[in-house]
Amino acid sequence: NAGVTQTPKFQVLKTGQSMTLQCAQDMNHEYMSWYRQDPGMGLRLIHYSVGAGITDQGEVPNGYNVSRSTTEDFPLRLLSAAPSQTSVYFCASSYAGVRGELFFGEGSRLTVL
Amino acid sequence: GNSVTQMEGPVTLSEEAFLTINCTYTATGYPSLFWYVQYPGEGLQLLLKATKADDKGSNKGFEATYRKETTSFHLEKGSVQVSDSAVYFCALRDTGTASKLTFGTGTRLQVTL
Repeated sequence: NAGVTQTPKFQVLKTGQSMTLQCAQDMNHEYMSWYRQDPGMGLRLIHYSVGAGITDQGEVPNGYNVSRSTTEDFPLRLLSAAPSQTSVYFCASSYAGVRGELFFGEGSRLTVL
Repeated sequence: GNSVTQMEGPVTLSEEAFLTINCTYTATGYPSLFWYVQYPGEGLQLLLKATKADDKGSNKGFEATYRKETTSFHLEKGSVQVSDSAVYFCALRDTGTASKLTFGTGTRLQVTL
């Protein structure tokens, strides 16, 4: 029962460094997405994908890149980390085209110094 | 665009007290409505959902009714326990292949003995 798996769970970066947050799901979901969670702001959508080879921007895409080469994987890349990207990141997936619930990973806590 | 407004916390209650967390929404279509719960240090879990007007979602003693006339989806529980201490998020998801989950800002609940 793996569901949605995120790695790493914790990461500390210095300003300007790059890194990739990994996300994998084993439920054959077409829709995958990345959210960031900040105090008092709920969860905000960064990028999403409705299938392999298809990605699009959410509310707060600046400073992040994504790709979707397989149905299972949806990595999030920070190109040049900034302190404003200190946050908790969640990957979530679902079937596409229905108003169903998203299934969330356990989160990745990122600190940028 | 779509939006979700929920009452600000924190909400502090004694064990066995009655809980209400208010949630109202704005949506252009006919969304599904959700309550997610986040326990300390964990990801988001679906608590309950409703997909059409007058539906009642329920789980673990929590209930919420989809009220289209008042655009509301208030969360209630008749008798809270210490183990219910968590952050609760109201969310909606509209129709469409790429529809995203729109969250409220979350309400922290603290239950004391």
